[in-house]
Amino acid sequence: DTAVSQTPKYLVTQMGNDKSIKCEQNLGHDTMYWYKQDSKKFLKIMFSYNNKELIINETVPNRFSPKSPDKAHLNLHINSLELGDSAVYFCASTQGLAITDTQYFGPGTRLTVL
Amino acid sequence: DAKTTQPTSMDCAEGRAANLPCNHSTISGNEYVYWYRQIHSQGPQYIIHGLKNNETNEMASLIITEDRKSSTLILPHATLRDTAVYYCIVRARVLGDKIIFGKGTRLHILP
Repeated sequence: DTAVSQTPKYLVTQMGNDKSIKCEQNLGHDTMYWYKQDSKKFLKIMFSYNNKELIINETVPNRFSPKSPDKAHLNLHINSLELGDSAVYFCASTQGLAITDTQYFGPGTRLTVL
Repeated sequence: DAKTTQPTSMDCAEGRAANLPCNHSTISGNEYVYWYRQIHSQGPQYIIHGLKNNETNEMASLIITEDRKSSTLILPHATLRDTAVYYCIVRARVLGDKIIFGKGTRLHILP
């Protein structure tokens, strides 16, 4: 069974469009994250939610808006897509906020903006 | 920027121990060393973490030097399925922590 799932796996779209990526975890975790992995393979945190509340909001354009309808879901909506948004986006979850909590990652969504 | 440096790539024969080094000379006293790996087209997978003592689990062992400025991940009996990019990161706390994966080490397991 998939612990952390993301949809879609691949997303190809035109500049200026609005798109969403969905993430779901069935681990009963309280905390979920969005990461961006760029072409240089650096994986950087974007957002973190704990019990549906925003905890971490890194310096990302406000075109990116996360939404957590419940603890098991954290979706990422992107407005007015730009070429530089092309990357692989990973969702992850942890039991809580403890430093020792293991992060479980989803399979990633490869976004290509044309 | 990533706080760790790792070799770009390494080879290891199947069945042998793979030893992956990591330098984290600027590590703070409250920062843990974490290792993840990423198999092609998959999300990062947690391997092991430690603060200052050596750690072992079913996947690997982590050896941290006494001054904590470097560490080594050991895969005791490497298999072809261990071919992946291995990331060493340091983390202080989840809340507000900037978790940045560096370039990692691309480990090739040779048959």
